[in-house]
Amino acid sequence: NAGVTQTPKFRVLKTGQSMTLLCAQDMNHEYMYWYRQDPGMGLRLIHYSVGEGTTAKGEVPDGYNVSRLKKQNFLLGLESAAPSQTSVYFCASSSQGELYGYTFGSGTRLTVV
Amino acid sequence: SQQGEEDPQALSIQEGENATMNCSYKTSINNLQWYRQNSGRGLVHLILIRSNEREKHSGRLRVTLDTSKKSSSLLITASRAADTASYFCATVPRAGNNRKLIWGLGTSLAVNP
Repeated sequence: NAGVTQTPKFRVLKTGQSMTLLCAQDMNHEYMYWYRQDPGMGLRLIHYSVGEGTTAKGEVPDGYNVSRLKKQNFLLGLESAAPSQTSVYFCASSSQGELYGYTFGSGTRLTVV
Repeated sequence: SQQGEEDPQALSIQEGENATMNCSYKTSINNLQWYRQNSGRGLVHLILIRSNEREKHSGRLRVTLDTSKKSSSLLITASRAADTASYFCATVPRAGNNRKLIWGLGTSLAVNP
């Protein structure tokens, strides 16, 4: 089925560990986004990309890095995980950015202990 | 950077009834979007309404936009238990180059069988 696939679905990290979240879309979308969702905070944009090889900072980029080496993939890295990064992470893609609706993945639930 | 504010925060109705959720925002917009999120899942795009539109329909969903009041409403008619979810509005500000989606905190809808 066409859509956005996120891996892994769940992960527990120890403080200071690193990890990479993978987002893959098969809709040939130019725009891709990483969000985090926390209770009472809503969705907050971490980083985004407007095309292969491009990335830009969102609202809460500190502690995260991203790469978009291939159009279909958008990777989110945590360099040194902290408990404050415990959250549900969502990847989304769009054909024309905010002028069209976003397609979301099913999320990655990350716990940092 | 929250712009949209949904009202009510929570809504509980019986199957078959209509559900109305409201979204208010602060600045002029390019468009406003509604999304649904089932528990533990990603967000699903429902409807996008542009600033020059006043009403849109999609199946049992009806969205209205009043730019003079900076508000939108989402009506779900003849609700079903499967409509139980959180509903979010997101706006795209008209001004500036960084026209990223700005999210509200959502309305939690429970449809009781």
